[in-house]
Amino acid sequence: GAVVSQHPSRVICKSGTSVKIECRSLDFQATTMFWYRQFPKQSLMLMATSNEGSKATYEQGVEKDKFLINHASLTLSTLTVTSAHPEDSSFYICSASQGSDGYTFGSGTRLTVV
Amino acid sequence: DQQVKQNSPSLSVQEGRISILNCDYTNSMFDYFLWYKKYPAEGPTFLISISSIKDKNEDGRFTVFLNKSAKHLSLHIVPSQPGDSAVYFCAATGISNFGNEKLTFGTGTRLTIIP
Repeated sequence: GAVVSQHPSRVICKSGTSVKIECRSLDFQATTMFWYRQFPKQSLMLMATSNEGSKATYEQGVEKDKFLINHASLTLSTLTVTSAHPEDSSFYICSASQGSDGYTFGSGTRLTVV
Repeated sequence: DQQVKQNSPSLSVQEGRISILNCDYTNSMFDYFLWYKKYPAEGPTFLISISSIKDKNEDGRFTVFLNKSAKHLSLHIVPSQPGDSAVYFCAATGISNFGNEKLTFGTGTRLTIIP
């Protein structure tokens, strides 16, 4: 089946630094990739949708300059949290889509900003 | 505005019995629904889905029921097994643009199967 690799699985960074999270579709080309954020005991909230070769579409309330998304190829999307602050600490999950074949999720990244 | 709701944050069920997880939605544009299972610190894993043209879909121990008029769906797991203990999310989207459109998730229900 379709596999999406996300890494790192955990990252701890200092406040003010930037962190890059990678999401790769291993055995298929992902026409669309999604980035979600999950707060403790809460739902998965969509942050942005990216299509290869075009700019990401951000959800309302998500700062595009803070959460930089790059979907440079059909198998790779990256989320960069810039100038991270403790309130950015969260669990980030990517999802890749093969179109009508459905959605596959990565294993998530636990970001802790200290 | 929570368009997909799972009103039970947790549920405990005896092993071997039936687990019933419920989900309600408010957006009439949703016409495709999915259930995901999630372990801590992992991404969601797809379980089963249903289109709004159906009222039931079955896959092994998992059955999803959809009541479109009530905007309600439920996931039945029978018999429940200890490995089913996880958080279950229902999600909704539009079938017309499936794959290119975002999933809207519920808040999740933590299922615990008691041996």
